[in-house]
Amino acid sequence: QKEVEQDPGPLSVPEGAIVSLNCTYSNSAFQYFMWYRQYSRKGPELLMYTYSSGNKEDGRFTAQVDKSSKYISLFIRDSQPSDSATYLCAMSRIYNYGQNFVFGPGTRLSVLP
Amino acid sequence: NAGVTQTPKFQVLKTGQSMTLQCAQDMNHEYMSWYRQDPGMGLRLIHYSVGAGITDQGEVPNGYNVSRSTTEDFPLRLLSAAPSQTSVYFCASSYGGGMNTEAFFGQGTRLTVV
Repeated sequence: QKEVEQDPGPLSVPEGAIVSLNCTYSNSAFQYFMWYRQYSRKGPELLMYTYSSGNKEDGRFTAQVDKSSKYISLFIRDSQPSDSATYLCAMSRIYNYGQNFVFGPGTRLSVLP
Repeated sequence: NAGVTQTPKFQVLKTGQSMTLQCAQDMNHEYMSWYRQDPGMGLRLIHYSVGAGITDQGEVPNGYNVSRSTTEDFPLRLLSAAPSQTSVYFCASSYGGGMNTEAFFGQGTRLTVV
């Protein structure tokens, strides 16, 4: 079983739709949860991060973490064509010498005008 | 605000050639890492460093070497390029210090080995 599972998509939605992106993980040691957005031929850029279970909102984006179920989600409200990108979930934990990051494979999202 | 800078952006190598991918960060981050990104595989960790003079292997280290002589720089060396090393390579850095913080990525190096 992979440490992080993410539906690769692709996912196509009409402009204005609500988008739900999800990841599950298996290692309960993960403490820090992130979502990255990656445009074509660019590096991943951080969208949101959170430590705790619950919801965190930033504009049209809401990150949700359920540690008991080992499940994280990203919701995008009123989606725009500019949201078309690949979305990577990521999580990390601290171990002996540093920070161990694990990334999902990414979900490719297309928002159609 | 440079952040994480990778050079070159594109490179074509012949099988057996060697080269160095450069990575520099100006955020005084302790932790730096190299990933490769292949279709359907996500980001896979090649090597990482928790500070100057300290490096360790990640998930897919074979065929790659790293060193960290300064806080700012973390070059990745391909010893003898193989077609299987055709990929997009990303360098990332994070604050470190035993804390969970986000990783900042460079723009990537697109490498083709023929």
